[in-house]
Amino acid sequence: DAGITQSPRYKITETGRQVTLMCHQTWSHSYMFWYRQDLGHGLRLIYYSAAADITDKGEVPDGYVVSRSKTENFPLTLESATRSQTSVYFCASSEPARIIGNTIYFGEGSWLTVV
Amino acid sequence: RKEVEQDPGPFNVPEGATVAFNCTYSNSASQSFFWYRQDCRKEPKLLMSVYSSGNEDGRFTAQLNRASQYISLLIRDSKLSDSATYLCVVNGRTDSWGKLQFGAGTQVVVTP
Repeated sequence: DAGITQSPRYKITETGRQVTLMCHQTWSHSYMFWYRQDLGHGLRLIYYSAAADITDKGEVPDGYVVSRSKTENFPLTLESATRSQTSVYFCASSEPARIIGNTIYFGEGSWLTVV
Repeated sequence: RKEVEQDPGPFNVPEGATVAFNCTYSNSASQSFFWYRQDCRKEPKLLMSVYSSGNEDGRFTAQLNRASQYISLLIRDSKLSDSATYLCVVNGRTDSWGKLQFGAGTQVVVTP
């Protein structure tokens, strides 16, 4: 029961570097999400994907790139990291809400510090 | 104005007491509502969905008030293990499952 895993869990990088956060799920959920969580803002959606090769922007997509070549993987890339991208990043997956009560499952989070 | 707003707290609650808090949402077309629980430095986990008629799950009761656009969570007989941040989650439409809106959370601290 691996569920949804993120790597790395903790990362320190320098301004301007490219960073990729990996996300892998074993449930074959069609939807996958990337959120960032900052104090006072709650969870904000960066990008999401409804299926392989389908991605869409969320609330705060600038500075991020995603891809979904396989259903189970949804990497998030910071092309040129900035200090404002210091945050906790959560990957999540789910099936669409065809019925009330469908659950989004979150990974354990990736703590990213940009110095 | 944020789409989903919560009182950040903290709500300091003696063990065994009842605590309740609300979450307001701005999109009157919202269809689905949830409460998630998040422990410090952990990922959010589903606590319960919120149904139109209100629903209970053990010591937890959730209510939806569409007219005033808020949902509530009540915790009875609080346990120390209930200390956490409770996130309100709202989905705008059934065709926008990808764009859930999260509140910033209400912190609950249960004290002995």
